[in-house]
Amino acid sequence: DAGVIQSPRHEVTEMGQEVTLRCKPISGHNSLFWYRQTMMRGLELLIYFNNNVPIDDSGMPEDRFSAKMPNASFSTLKIQPSEPRDSAVYFCASRLGPNTGELFFGEGSRLTVL
Amino acid sequence: GNSVTQMEGPVTLSEEAFLTINCTYTATGYPSLFWYVQYPGEGLQLLLKATKADDKGSNKGFEATYRKETTSFHLEKGSVQVSDSAVYFCAPLIQGAQKLVFGQGTRLTINP
Repeated sequence: DAGVIQSPRHEVTEMGQEVTLRCKPISGHNSLFWYRQTMMRGLELLIYFNNNVPIDDSGMPEDRFSAKMPNASFSTLKIQPSEPRDSAVYFCASRLGPNTGELFFGEGSRLTVL
Repeated sequence: GNSVTQMEGPVTLSEEAFLTINCTYTATGYPSLFWYVQYPGEGLQLLLKATKADDKGSNKGFEATYRKETTSFHLEKGSVQVSDSAVYFCAPLIQGAQKLVFGQGTRLTINP
């Protein structure tokens, strides 16, 4: 079975450019999470969705970040404009339902903003 | 508030040594508790879990017991292998909020 699929795996861009990260959750999973991982701050929850609806976006750093989930099989995380401090590995994860702690993570998208 | 504190890393051990990674949490009520592992270049994956007090989760030779009285969920393994080198995350599931609170992670390196 396919796991959580993220794209791109690696992205290098210049400051000020728009970045779009994509995620396909596991089929049948109703919750989706976006995390950011850096050496300095560890693993941070940015936003999560239940049934395509954003439930908690308190971790989104600022207005430059936005996330959407137009349907149950696709989500995007957009950064516009990007800044060097956004450089990190961004993980998408999904789970079967809202009351389980078993998350399935994608392999991550490594973003470098020059 | 809800939080989790893990043993600071990095931790370096020799193969076949005994491993303990400490984890304590603060949370309202009695959350389910999880350990996740992240191998180099990969996303996190569930290692083991416990859903109520005194439960013991186990997987791949790792164990952790849910201690309500000390609000702890320490990870142990009797004999580590080089392939256990990874970053380990402790995480309570915050009921009501429906989200995991991850610790800062503990990097483990096992030398042959």
